[in-house]
Amino acid sequence: SQQGEEDPQALSIQEGENATMNCSYKTSINNLQWYRQNSGRGLVHLILIRSNEREKHSGRLRVTLDTSKKSSSLLITASRAADTASYFCATAPYGQNFVFGPGTRLSVLP
Amino acid sequence: DAGVIQSPRHEVTEMGQEVTLRCKPISGHNSLFWYRQTMMRGLELLIYFNNNVPIDDSGMPEDRFSAKMPNASFSTLKIQPSEPRDSAVYFCASSLVQSTDTQYFGPGTRLTVL
Repeated sequence: SQQGEEDPQALSIQEGENATMNCSYKTSINNLQWYRQNSGRGLVHLILIRSNEREKHSGRLRVTLDTSKKSSSLLITASRAADTASYFCATAPYGQNFVFGPGTRLSVLP
Repeated sequence: DAGVIQSPRHEVTEMGQEVTLRCKPISGHNSLFWYRQTMMRGLELLIYFNNNVPIDDSGMPEDRFSAKMPNASFSTLKIQPSEPRDSAVYFCASSLVQSTDTQYFGPGTRLTVL
């Protein structure tokens, strides 16, 4: 498996529901970031969580980090159709560059 | 700020031709990245510059690919000769200081090699 790998690969929910995506990684990291990519566009940074942090919030987004399990989760609450996108976690092993996972494709149905 | 600027946005070329992709990072950012995105391989880091110096080019597929950063506000990625398997979306990104800082992506160049 890759350094960072999202799960599930695809997720389909109804508008208003919560969406949860997970990211697992293999080696110790400096920080972990989540990005969003709308179809045909570049990636947009959502949130960065450092290795000494356990949870961060940004609007409707909540990110958790469990370094003992080498995993992170991204929760989007009260989802909207505009949240339809691919979501990537990027992990930065110490002394190395970011590695992006394959992404989770989220579809929010109206 | 205008964000990261890439040109062209779309490029269609024939096999064997030279392709040059261009990137203008965000002013004041010291790190610049070139990525390639395909359905099969996802998002791959090709090369990373810091203060205009190539730091990590281990992701450059082969000698047909070359990248330069002659100054802090401009970078190019060149493919010569191009092959159909080079078809992909190429992204440029920049970050403030380190490679592990938040990265700001350009809109990408969609390359099609016939």
